[in-house]
Amino acid sequence: DAKTTQPNSMESNEEEPVHLPCNHSTISGTDYIHWYRQLPSQGPEYVIHGLTSNVNNRMASLAIAEDRKSSTLILHRATLRDAAVYYCILSGSTSGTYKYIFGTGTRLKVLA
Amino acid sequence: GAVVSQHPSWVICKSGTSVKIECRSLDFQATTMFWYRQFPKQSLMLMATSNEGSKATYEQGVEKDKFLINHASLTLSTLTVTSAHPEDSSFYICSATTRVTSTDTQYFGPGTRLTVL
Repeated sequence: DAKTTQPNSMESNEEEPVHLPCNHSTISGTDYIHWYRQLPSQGPEYVIHGLTSNVNNRMASLAIAEDRKSSTLILHRATLRDAAVYYCILSGSTSGTYKYIFGTGTRLKVLA
Repeated sequence: GAVVSQHPSWVICKSGTSVKIECRSLDFQATTMFWYRQFPKQSLMLMATSNEGSKATYEQGVEKDKFLINHASLTLSTLTVTSAHPEDSSFYICSATTRVTSTDTQYFGPGTRLTVL
């Protein structure tokens, strides 16, 4: 299973942009990159996903490196509600079953 | 859309008893559901993959006789922790997806906190 590497923690000031990096050097050609976030005592919440091109949605933007070995989740204006653990996940197939393998994630702290 | 619920949200039980946790997809049909376990300050660990109408596939190291999974319909999967012990205390989270391909998103439930006394 392809693995991801993220910094353990990051801090940001409120209303400033946040760039959360993820390395996935062993990504295969068919792996999608998914980002989720998890608040304390809650299930993970979908943020965004992509394959090769950069993606935007109402929550965030996903910038994917040309070689696909890294990606960056961009929160354009951090709010206190964005404080969470952010997980970068590759969905790959093992024997035909696509499953998520969660890494340690990045704990984002937003300062007021 | 794509809402997944879990019941109960928390449960406390005595050692040796069995506990059943339900996972429901409320507004879509889930061909595949996944069960995860999360210990405090740790990441989610996949326990098993459940396909509707088939036996669950367990990850290495997960005891299938202890964690019974049933996926009887396209909207319901259950996890039964049999003969629970204090070390089974954890946060159990399910997810559901309509199709299992690399692009299809898993939608997660809110989790169930199990405490075994």
